[in-house]
Amino acid sequence: GAVVSQHPSWVICKSGTSVKIECRSLDFQATTMFWYRQFPKQSLMLMATSNEGSKATYEQGVEKDKFLINHASLTLSTLTVTSAHPEDSSFYICSASDAVVGFGEAFFGQGTRLTVV
Amino acid sequence: AQSVAQPEDQVNVAEGNPLTVKCTYSVSGNPYLFWYVQYPNRGLQFLLKYITGDNLVKGSYGFEAEFNKSQTSFHLKKPSALVSDSALYFCAVRGIGNTPLVFGKGTRLSVIA
Repeated sequence: GAVVSQHPSWVICKSGTSVKIECRSLDFQATTMFWYRQFPKQSLMLMATSNEGSKATYEQGVEKDKFLINHASLTLSTLTVTSAHPEDSSFYICSASDAVVGFGEAFFGQGTRLTVV
Repeated sequence: AQSVAQPEDQVNVAEGNPLTVKCTYSVSGNPYLFWYVQYPNRGLQFLLKYITGDNLVKGSYGFEAEFNKSQTSFHLKKPSALVSDSALYFCAVRGIGNTPLVFGKGTRLSVIA
């Protein structure tokens, strides 16, 4: 299947700083990527839909000024957590689909464990 | 709105026994259903999907799922469980086109040796 690479796998940052997470589709072009957040022992919650060359679409309740998404190319989307606080600590996962490689299924990055201290 | 429900938080099964992880769905139109598995601190791995065709779908690692339209279910099954199958399993649904997956809450499978 297609490969989605997410970096870093884990990051610890101080409260008030910003953290950037990268999501790359390695062997296909992804016009759309999705960012999810997962709390311990809970399901994945969609944060936003990242569209190449345009603004991201955020889910209700997600602060767009706090979670900045940039999708500047067909293979790269970034999520920047700005002015991070301990409550932003979570597991963040990106996914992308390729309509050519496989109908319907999404491929996921390895996830990023963010800890804000 | 599309949704899936996983009624069990936890499923325990002895190694070698068959396993079932339950999922029911609610969609308008044709359902596109998926199963994913997640190991600790990892992303999700695709197991199988139902788009159309045969109701019994075979996937990775010996897993299969049966699509039942009358019961609106898509239960995940495996004839003989392995300890290495212990993980978190998610049922998901999506709509037509490049739309995001909507996940169930997940079921933690524990296979005991």
